[in-house]
Amino acid sequence: EPEVTQTPSHQVTQMGQEVILRCVPISNHLYFYWYRQILGQKVEFLVSFYNNEISEKSEIFDDQFSVERPDGSNFTLKIRSTKLEDSAMYFCASSMGTGGRNKNIQYFGAGTRLSVL
Amino acid sequence: QKEVEQNSGPLSVPEGAIASLNCTYSDRGSQSFFWYRQYSGKSPELIMSIYSNGDKEDGRFTAQLNKASQYVSLLIRDSQPSDSATYLCAVNGRGKLQFGAGTQVVVTP
Repeated sequence: EPEVTQTPSHQVTQMGQEVILRCVPISNHLYFYWYRQILGQKVEFLVSFYNNEISEKSEIFDDQFSVERPDGSNFTLKIRSTKLEDSAMYFCASSMGTGGRNKNIQYFGAGTRLSVL
Repeated sequence: QKEVEQNSGPLSVPEGAIASLNCTYSDRGSQSFFWYRQYSGKSPELIMSIYSNGDKEDGRFTAQLNKASQYVSLLIRDSQPSDSATYLCAVNGRGKLQFGAGTQVVVTP
């Protein structure tokens, strides 16, 4: 069964360093998303991406964050200068569409645990 | 601020019993609603999607939607210890999912 894959599963970094989290969405999906979940808190939307452009972003997604689809399969989230409060699980998700029954179902990867020291 | 509200639990359910989970949402324009299951330290896993008022059944799971009351619920019949997890209600607004904080379900043998 097709799945969203994320690497690495765990990333440890020093405060102020840049990190890149990688995702391979499901192959026939067109919409890609990043969410984060701070330990013990709810899953929060960061950004959605379609046709090589950001569709929507939350107020969390500030200038320190960027997303890119560098090739036909990968979708990345970059944090330029990590802060302690960026420590969280980061989930990538993908969907076939955004409207219509079942096409807008978002499937999640296993996540990357980011630990900022 | 658009909100999705759930009781945090824990909801303790004897094995074999029915677990009933509730969710309310504030955005009256929402059209798509989802229940995800999340085991500790894992990612959200889709359990049910529902788009129309009424009930939708899939195996031991039944989702119920009432758009007029802005209310979504999930019933888990014949609860099993493997159902012990946090259940997340999610509402789709313009492509992004807004999640509730989740209800922790504990199924006791």
